Amino acid sequence: EVQLVESGGGLVQPGGSLRLSCAASGFTFSSHWMSWVRQAPGKGLEWVTNIKEDGSEKYYVDSVKGRFTISRDNAKNSLYLQMKSLRAEDTAIYYCASLAGTGWYFDLWGRGTLVSVSS
Amino acid sequence: DIVVTQSPDSLAVSLGERATINCKSSQTVLYSSNYKNYLAWYQQKPGQPPKLLIYWASTRESGVPDRFSGSGSGTDFTLTISSLQAEDVAVYYCQQYYSTPYTFGQGTKLEIK
Repeated sequence: EVQLVESGGGLVQPGGSLRLSCAASGFTFSSHWMSWVRQAPGKGLEWVTNIKEDGSEKYYVDSVKGRFTISRDNAKNSLYLQMKSLRAEDTAIYYCASLAGTGWYFDLWGRGTLVSVSS
Repeated sequence: DIVVTQSPDSLAVSLGERATINCKSSQTVLYSSNYKNYLAWYQQKPGQPPKLLIYWASTRESGVPDRFSGSGSGTDFTLTISSLQAEDVAVYYCQQYYSTPYTFGQGTKLEIK
């Protein structure tokens, strides 16, 4: 079955750190750009970051630059998001998503993992 | 950044009737070299992740019912559901992938009248 499964979310204090993981299965993970997209409670969708198939290119939304780092391990079919200096406004469901091979739209989504930043 | 704005914010349509959602980008998402519009539509049902419906503004994703269609070019786009079914109740988002940061519309909540 083609799927993405996120883990690692939880409650963290402002200024803290968290590492999210995404396990991919059922498709050739190493052939896809991958992304993290987040959704604050009751709000819309926000693209956070992309990483190229081989990890050589990474892009971030301005609000997380210098605080979040995307990475991947193609041998383990896994995607990661290291988050530091977390803020209340980072509270959201974080979705792992694959980008289609022909364009930068998201053709497969995980079910998400909730990150709550609160004291 | 390209700002994407949807209208309306919410919509109530009777079963079997047509539903139309609009999406406007602050600058063109039509790439002149390949004449493709870098715009996608997603459906999100409560408690679920988004699901891709349409890409390149008008190409239906595999498995998506043909009552869903996308149209438009440049800066103005439309998602049409030709005959609303009960299972279509959801929030719909458009997204531009012309340039980073990829941006989404604020969403349109579709309900049954």
